[in-house]
Amino acid sequence: GDSVTQMEGPVTLSEEAFLTINCTYTATGYPSLFWYVQYPGEGLQLLLKATKADDKGSNKGFEATYRKETTSFHLEKGSVQVSDSAVYFCAQYNTDKLIFGTGTRLQVFP
Amino acid sequence: DTAVSQTPKYLVTQMGNDKSIKCEQNLGHDTMYWYKQDSKKFLKIMFSYNNKELIINETVPNRFSPKSPDKAHLNLHINSLELGDSAVYFCASSYTSGSIYEQYFGPGTRLTVT
Repeated sequence: GDSVTQMEGPVTLSEEAFLTINCTYTATGYPSLFWYVQYPGEGLQLLLKATKADDKGSNKGFEATYRKETTSFHLEKGSVQVSDSAVYFCAQYNTDKLIFGTGTRLQVFP
Repeated sequence: DTAVSQTPKYLVTQMGNDKSIKCEQNLGHDTMYWYKQDSKKFLKIMFSYNNKELIINETVPNRFSPKSPDKAHLNLHINSLELGDSAVYFCASSYTSGSIYEQYFGPGTRLTVT
């Protein structure tokens, strides 16, 4: 069935380091892809999205490119801040529901 | 002007009790959802309603019963609570028309069953 696989966390970085969180998916057809972020004690917020191959979603310095050939949607940021510390969820929407990955916790230290 | 709101934020109760969680959205969306997030942060859909009709009903014990009195509300009632029901429950809403099914999430209800 359809699924999303994310890298295990936590990812621990120093401020201003480069971030990559890997995400791959399996799906029938061509899903829309999303990254959601969950800050401590809060609900999920949409971070960015892409609806077709080669689309690049971007927001708040984060980027992810929809790669159909590798079925991937890796999240990147050039310079992380302490305020980026959160749990990041990759997700796909294909037929009738969002399917989430297991989440990756990011911890950024000053 | 909260978009998706849930009450209560915290719920502590004993095994065997019956409890409800309420959700309201003021975004004009036509579809609402309930998700369960376990202690490892794994997030899984439980139900979705479109215009008050049940669309998705995942493999959830029938002790869980959603109710949608109107498009803006989706409540979750849980009977005979068990320890394994302890989790954070998120409500979400979205439009179903268009090609981008962006869902907006509420702040969550942390349910603890003792």
